[in-house]
Amino acid sequence: DQQVKQNSPSLSVQEGRISILNCDYTNSMFDYFLWYKKYPAEGPTFLISISSIKDKNEDGRFTVFLNKSAKHLSLHIVPSQPGDSAVYFCAASLQTGANNLFFGTGTRLTVIP
Amino acid sequence: DVKVTQSSRYLVKRTGEKVFLECVQDMDHENMFWYRQDPGLGLRLIYFSYDVKMKEKGDIPEGYSVSREKKERFSLILESASTNQTSMYLCATGTGSPLAKNIQYFGAGTRLSVL
Repeated sequence: DQQVKQNSPSLSVQEGRISILNCDYTNSMFDYFLWYKKYPAEGPTFLISISSIKDKNEDGRFTVFLNKSAKHLSLHIVPSQPGDSAVYFCAASLQTGANNLFFGTGTRLTVIP
Repeated sequence: DVKVTQSSRYLVKRTGEKVFLECVQDMDHENMFWYRQDPGLGLRLIYFSYDVKMKEKGDIPEGYSVSREKKERFSLILESASTNQTSMYLCATGTGSPLAKNIQYFGAGTRLSVL
């Protein structure tokens, strides 16, 4: 059963506007949430993370918001740039275990120049 | 910079062949992982290892095995390749330290086609 879900397979945004990528999870024991970015023919690269004890983390143009009561997190990219076009994966890890990550199915972001 | 190297970018094999996918990391990380990525399914964990000679099954271990004889090397083995194992295979590493926020570092991937 998919514990981390990304319900939007794709998203298109105009350059300069905000991109909002969403992620839902079911397991309340997750303690860290991460976003990865993946270009075609490359491995995923870590983008930004947030601890379950926080509700916001910001790094330059990227901000992740966590709503624990709704079991929902989102990644905001402002302003969006054509180079941001990629597949974005949401992931979560448990408080115990060998730091396994549980990945969502990904959202393909296209930023239109 | 963490470097995770997968031995092949592209592989084409025939049904029934034994296939070895190699992954080497240079950061002395304890944990290593093998995933496969398929459209609409995201990344699914096949096997992982948190120490030399240790291995644990992930979500989809059937048809695969792994080997970790040295800390820096983690091999994925397809005992008898089948067409449904055509996929992108991704190796990842992590320190296992809670301070590292469970970040995993990925190789570039191996796209395997089984004919």
